[in-house]
Amino acid sequence: AQSVTQLGSHVSVSEGALVLLRCNYSSSVPPYLFWYVQYPNQGLQLLLKYTSAATLVKGINGFEAEFKKSETSFHLTKPSAHMSDAAEYFCAVSDGGAQKLVFGQGTRLTINP
Amino acid sequence: GAVVSQHPSWVICKSGTSVKIECRSLDFQATTMFWYRQFPKQSLMLMATSNEGSKATYEQGVEKDKFLINHASLTLSTLTVTSAHPEDSSFYICSANRGTTDTQYFGPGTRLTVL
Repeated sequence: AQSVTQLGSHVSVSEGALVLLRCNYSSSVPPYLFWYVQYPNQGLQLLLKYTSAATLVKGINGFEAEFKKSETSFHLTKPSAHMSDAAEYFCAVSDGGAQKLVFGQGTRLTINP
Repeated sequence: GAVVSQHPSWVICKSGTSVKIECRSLDFQATTMFWYRQFPKQSLMLMATSNEGSKATYEQGVEKDKFLINHASLTLSTLTVTSAHPEDSSFYICSANRGTTDTQYFGPGTRLTVL
């Protein structure tokens, strides 16, 4: 069985500061890992994905994530937060392709002016 | 590309009635579609996996007779909540795979409120 743990249900940073959203996974097979963003009352938008290629993955809107097998982590980062980054972020894992995604509990990111 | 739409975006219905939600892949053919349910301030829970032309596969604990899923074409899947009750009120989100791609593309969601 696979699972995802997102550390911190709520993260607050100042505009221009570093954003770090933590995600740890559990998987018995090489995982596919995803980060999605959800704005209020909307569906999910793919930020980036790891599919066993490069361990440092760059996504949209300046976000990137690094796959660390030894730490079973896939933390999401952005060097400089923007007000428009305020949203809910979900980390997800699958055992291959995009079948049966298992989502973490989500992290709400707040940006302070 | 890879746009998924849902209709309606929100619906209010009376207890005991049935509600149909449509999920369409607008610019690609989706061999597999997924239906999720999301409670306020919570994560997404997979309800069922829908493959075109075959019966949906429901997750444990999801009543297949209550949540009817039809995937009649490569661009359309429907979720019908039958005999809806207030506890069925939730945000329902669909997603679709584009061929053999390893990414799910999500619809904007449908908020169902059962009075």
